Amino acid sequence: DGGITQSPKYLFRKEGQNVTLSCEQNLNHDAMYWYRQDPGQGLRLIYYSQIVNDFQKGDIAEGYSVSREKKESFPLTVTSAQKNPTAFYLCASSRETGELFFGEGSRLTVL
Amino acid sequence: RKEVEQDPGPFNVPEGATVAFNCTYSNSASQSFFWYRQDCRKEPKLLMSVYSSGNEDGRFTAQLNRASQYISLLIRDSKLSDSATYLCVPRGSNTGKLIFGQGTTLQVKP
Repeated sequence: DGGITQSPKYLFRKEGQNVTLSCEQNLNHDAMYWYRQDPGQGLRLIYYSQIVNDFQKGDIAEGYSVSREKKESFPLTVTSAQKNPTAFYLCASSRETGELFFGEGSRLTVL
Repeated sequence: RKEVEQDPGPFNVPEGATVAFNCTYSNSASQSFFWYRQDCRKEPKLLMSVYSSGNEDGRFTAQLNRASQYISLLIRDSKLSDSATYLCVPRGSNTGKLIFGQGTTLQVKP
């Protein structure tokens, strides 16, 4: 089955720790995205990548880092510099026509 | 002006009602538009794509007004299962930066 897999689904982190969220897709899509969603809010773009070995900052990139070494993978690291990291993180990939396909998301809670 | 704006609602309607939401966008170069549905604590799922003036799929109709820079979503004969948040995303010629509206919440009551 083709799709996007995010892991872990739930993650708890102590303040000051970095954490990496995994995102893998087997849809052969070139473009991949990371969004953050806070309760009752819309999706905000963190980073996106249109091709391997290239990525751009979205609207809220501070405190986050990404890599795109393989077409299938776009991991997101939430660094200790991110002041309020507790949120729902969504990874997506898109076809050339622009439709986004999302993973099930990762819920990060900072203790 | 925000890149994409939606009335957050909530829109509370009875079953069987017709309801419409608007999504305004600031980038006049936007060429295609997408409506997503998001259930509580779940990922968004594609509801409808619009590449020209509009699109229709069963009870759902999307209508684009390029002059006023908004796209609407009309839901006819609302069902309880339509209760969700509806998100819109315009897409320009550069596929990269896809910005969502904050979403419109619909609650269909029996």
